Amino acid sequence: QKEVEQNSGPLSVPEGAIASLNCTYSDRGSQSFFWYRQYSGKSPELIMFIYSNGDKEDGRFTAQLNKASQYVSLLIRDSQPSDSATYLCAVIRNSGYALNFGKGTSLLVTP
Amino acid sequence: DVKVTQSSRYLVKRTGEKVFLECVQDMDHENMFWYRQDPGLGLRLIYFSYDVKMKEKGDIPEGYSVSREKKERFSLILESASTNQTSMYLCATGGGGGAGNTIYFGEGSWLTVV
Repeated sequence: QKEVEQNSGPLSVPEGAIASLNCTYSDRGSQSFFWYRQYSGKSPELIMFIYSNGDKEDGRFTAQLNKASQYVSLLIRDSQPSDSATYLCAVIRNSGYALNFGKGTSLLVTP
Repeated sequence: DVKVTQSSRYLVKRTGEKVFLECVQDMDHENMFWYRQDPGLGLRLIYFSYDVKMKEKGDIPEGYSVSREKKERFSLILESASTNQTSMYLCATGGGGGAGNTIYFGEGSWLTVV
């Protein structure tokens, strides 16, 4: 199955800074990529998905995809303490239905 | 909003018991999934279903079975619970394959097997 790798962190950024979260994947044929946020003790919630090379922006979040280098990143602008969570990167599995998840990067935004 | 309901949020079961985890969705989605999440191991797919009565094994199906008799309901069954099945179980639902196949999670079921 398609492997998804993320640095476990924790990544610590000060409030107001840009947080940059990275993800690499093993299968060059992967098409669609997803970012989820998971607060401690809660279930993952979708932030955004991307399937074209380049940037996709949604509010303070920007997803970046580079298929040639096989990486996906998530930028969070003007980071807030409420952004402190684990961020999960995911890619569609070979079956085309389910998602394979990375183990997540823990983000801590300090006031 | 998509609503995925896992009726049992916290369960404590004894080794050897049969355990049923129920999941219901209200979005008429074709696909439903069961994942488990463990510290250091991340989210792992147990089973998924792409249609009523259809099921596919995920990465860790051993010790589990599933049932999907109605489109909106997907059940995970632990035939004989063991302590290594203590985990957080997440049901998810999604609309179809291909690009933009977002999946939505329920709130999770915390299972402890003693």
